[in-house]
Amino acid sequence: GAGVSQSPSNKVTEKGKDVELRCDPISGHTALYWYRQSLGQGLEFLIYFQGNSAPDKSGLPSDRFSAERTGGSVSTLTIQRTQQEDSAVYLCASSPGLSYNEQFFGPGTRLTVL
Amino acid sequence: QKEVEQNSGPLSVPEGAIASLNCTYSDRGSQSFFWYRQYSGKSPELIMFIYSNGDKEDGRFTAQLNKASQYVSLLIRDSQPSDSATYLCAVRLQTGANNLFFGTGTRLTVIP
Repeated sequence: GAGVSQSPSNKVTEKGKDVELRCDPISGHTALYWYRQSLGQGLEFLIYFQGNSAPDKSGLPSDRFSAERTGGSVSTLTIQRTQQEDSAVYLCASSPGLSYNEQFFGPGTRLTVL
Repeated sequence: QKEVEQNSGPLSVPEGAIASLNCTYSDRGSQSFFWYRQYSGKSPELIMFIYSNGDKEDGRFTAQLNKASQYVSLLIRDSQPSDSATYLCAVRLQTGANNLFFGTGTRLTVIP
């Protein structure tokens, strides 16, 4: 079956521009997570959604970052006024529910801010 | 202090040897522990999870957890060149919280 998909796979943007990154979770998965991975760093939690509950935004690094999840499925991560330090691979993961142990990761979007 | 710490490596072992990967965590309330494997340029994939003290075996992989020492390890027996990857340790801090805290990963190279 189809796994988690993300688009675009690569994004190059200029400092100060806004970007939108998209995640399509596995069908039927109610939990969706965003992480980012900078060069030589571990995965940094950003935000997660569970069903219709309010998202946990505790990992968002600044108010330039926001995310939404429409219809309990597709999610968009938006970064406004991008900075060079935002350059990283942004990974989306989904799981069937809160108590399920495995998170299934998408291929990621590599963001480069010039 | 970081939540999860790993030796970044690289760790090199000969084919057929046992590779030992280690991870420490800072929060004593941590409930669940995960090992992910990440090939270069690819996304992480789950190898094992463990939440009880002791050992958990799955094929060539054994996860070991010692909550008193706040230490979790992954042993890979009969290492193969295809095991060459970065291994990420992840921790779920408390029951009900669903996000994972990841270490920076240990890069393993298995030499044929």
